[in-house]
Amino acid sequence: DAGVIQSPRHEVTEMGQEVTLRCKPISGHDYLFWYRQTMMRGLELLIYFNNNVPIDDSGMPEDRFSAKMPNASFSTLKIQPSEPRDSAVYFCASSRDSTQETQYFGPGTRLLVL
Amino acid sequence: RKEVEQDPGPFNVPEGATVAFNCTYSNSASQSFFWYRQDCRKEPKLLMSVYSSGNEDGRFTAQLNRASQYISLLIRDSKLSDSATYLCVVSASGNTPLVFGKGTRLSVIA
Repeated sequence: DAGVIQSPRHEVTEMGQEVTLRCKPISGHDYLFWYRQTMMRGLELLIYFNNNVPIDDSGMPEDRFSAKMPNASFSTLKIQPSEPRDSAVYFCASSRDSTQETQYFGPGTRLLVL
Repeated sequence: RKEVEQDPGPFNVPEGATVAFNCTYSNSASQSFFWYRQDCRKEPKLLMSVYSSGNEDGRFTAQLNRASQYISLLIRDSKLSDSATYLCVVSASGNTPLVFGKGTRLSVIA
């Protein structure tokens, strides 16, 4: 049974470029979460969706960040324009019926903005 | 005050040792509690849920103290493979997402 799939696994880009991160949640999971992890701040929730609808985006740092979930099996997190301080590991996670249920994380995307 | 606080460590312990981690949370309305494990350069994975009465899974014991708002994880007979970062995770009632602590790093040394 496939887990959460993320792509790319690694991304190196230059400041000012657009970055798009992709996520395929586990089939049947109604919740999808985007997190960012850094040494300084730990794991931070950026945004989460329920049945493809964004529920809470208060963790999105600023307007440069946007996320979409066009269908139940695909979500994107976009950073435009990217800045060096966006360098982090970005995780996507999914869970079943409730936000309090166990979350299953993807392998993450390691982003480095030069 | 941070919602979930943990001692970052690192905890360096010899194989076979018993080690305990504590975690405090600020929201008294919290209902769900978990410990996640994160290996180096990997994603977090659920280690165990924490129940009010305390629960055990092999060498791992989790306890919850609602009055003092803290959660603990005890690892007995540490193995080299236990080396990882342990994340304390809390969720309030209703449709509120999980809140992760920054984690406690454990190194088990031969």
